[in-house]
Amino acid sequence: GAVVSQHPSWVICKSGTSVKIECRSLDFQATTMFWYRQFPKQSLMLMATSNEGSKATYEQGVEKDKFLINHASLTLSTLTVTSAHPEDSSFYICSARGQGINYEQYFGPGTRLTVT
Amino acid sequence: EDQVTQSPEALRLQEGESSSLNCSYTVSGLRGLFWYRQDPGKGPEFLFTLYSAGEEKEKERLKATLTKKESFLHITAPKPEDSATYLCAVQSAGGTSYGKLTFGQGTILTVHP
Repeated sequence: GAVVSQHPSWVICKSGTSVKIECRSLDFQATTMFWYRQFPKQSLMLMATSNEGSKATYEQGVEKDKFLINHASLTLSTLTVTSAHPEDSSFYICSARGQGINYEQYFGPGTRLTVT
Repeated sequence: EDQVTQSPEALRLQEGESSSLNCSYTVSGLRGLFWYRQDPGKGPEFLFTLYSAGEEKEKERLKATLTKKESFLHITAPKPEDSATYLCAVQSAGGTSYGKLTFGQGTILTVHP
């Protein structure tokens, strides 16, 4: 099946610093990648959609300047949390969808971000 | 606006006790309905995609069915390793959402030995 990886799996950073999370599709080309955020005991909340070579489309209420998304290649998308604050602590999950995979999205294992 | 409602919120079963999870949805043209399994601290694992009413898919102890208003995930003779949160999501055919999924809140399944 389609495999999506994320790196790092967990990260701790200090308030005010930036952290980058990578999402890679390992065995298929991902024309579209999605970034989600998940709070404890809650479902996934879509943050943004990115298409390779295009600017990301952000969901309402998500700050574009705080959550920078880059989808520079068909196998890699990155999410950078800028000037992180404790309220940004969360579980971030990416998913990827390729052409000809019948609209299915495959998820990465997630990244646990803790801002101290 | 697309909406997905899953029930029950939590389900406790004894090993071998079969049951069903429900996913009710409203969507402006269904492109696909997806079932995922999520273990604590991990990303969702893809289980099934259903595209049209009447469609059924099976995988081991799981069987997913679809009508025009809801989907069921039937679990036959569950084992403790089936314990997880099961998520349902829909993708609508309308708009330029590039495949945006709308998720339900999930059903937390616990199977006791």
